[in-house]
Amino acid sequence: GDSVTQMEGPVTLSEEAFLTINCTYTATGYPSLFWYVQYPGEGLQLLLKATKADDKGSNKGFEATYRKETTSFHLEKGSVQVSDSAVYFCALSSQGGSEKLVFGKGTKLTVNP
Amino acid sequence: DTGVSQDPRHKITKRGQNVTFRCDPISEHNRLYWYRQTLGQGPEFLTYFQNEAQLEKSRLLSDRFSAERPKGSFSTLEIQRTEQGDSAMYLCASSSQLSGNTIYFGEGSWLTVV
Repeated sequence: GDSVTQMEGPVTLSEEAFLTINCTYTATGYPSLFWYVQYPGEGLQLLLKATKADDKGSNKGFEATYRKETTSFHLEKGSVQVSDSAVYFCALSSQGGSEKLVFGKGTKLTVNP
Repeated sequence: DTGVSQDPRHKITKRGQNVTFRCDPISEHNRLYWYRQTLGQGPEFLTYFQNEAQLEKSRLLSDRFSAERPKGSFSTLEIQRTEQGDSAMYLCASSSQLSGNTIYFGEGSWLTVV
């Protein structure tokens, strides 16, 4: 079945450092890909998405490019802030039907001042 | 606030008791989802409604779990005879074709079974 694999955390960075969180997926067909963020004590918020190969999703300085050839959707940010500290989830949804999401296990990011 | 609303946000219950969670989706979203999230894990799909019809259920949804969406608007998730392993956050989400099928989540309902 469909699955998502994220790099293990936790990740600890200093403010203004470069961030990469790796995500690869296994799916039949052409899924849509997502990054969700979960701040402490809160629910999930959509960060960005891409619906077809070579699409780049971007939001709040974060970017991820849908790479079909490597089945990857790595999250990047050029300069992280303390307020970016959260858990980041990569997810996919298969086309058609319920379009339910399949999530990775999440990567906890802590940014120190 | 027009987001997905869940109630209660926190529930502590004794093993063997029944609990019910309510979800109010974003207005006019015809799709509604329930997920379960345990500590250190990503959310896991439980069930999905399109309008009032429950169209998909995960094998994670044992016979102690039941979900309804009687009028195609709000939904309830009931857990009967709770077990300690049911302790988790229960997330509700909604979507529609009008929202580009993007799934929006509520803040979750934390369940602790003691």
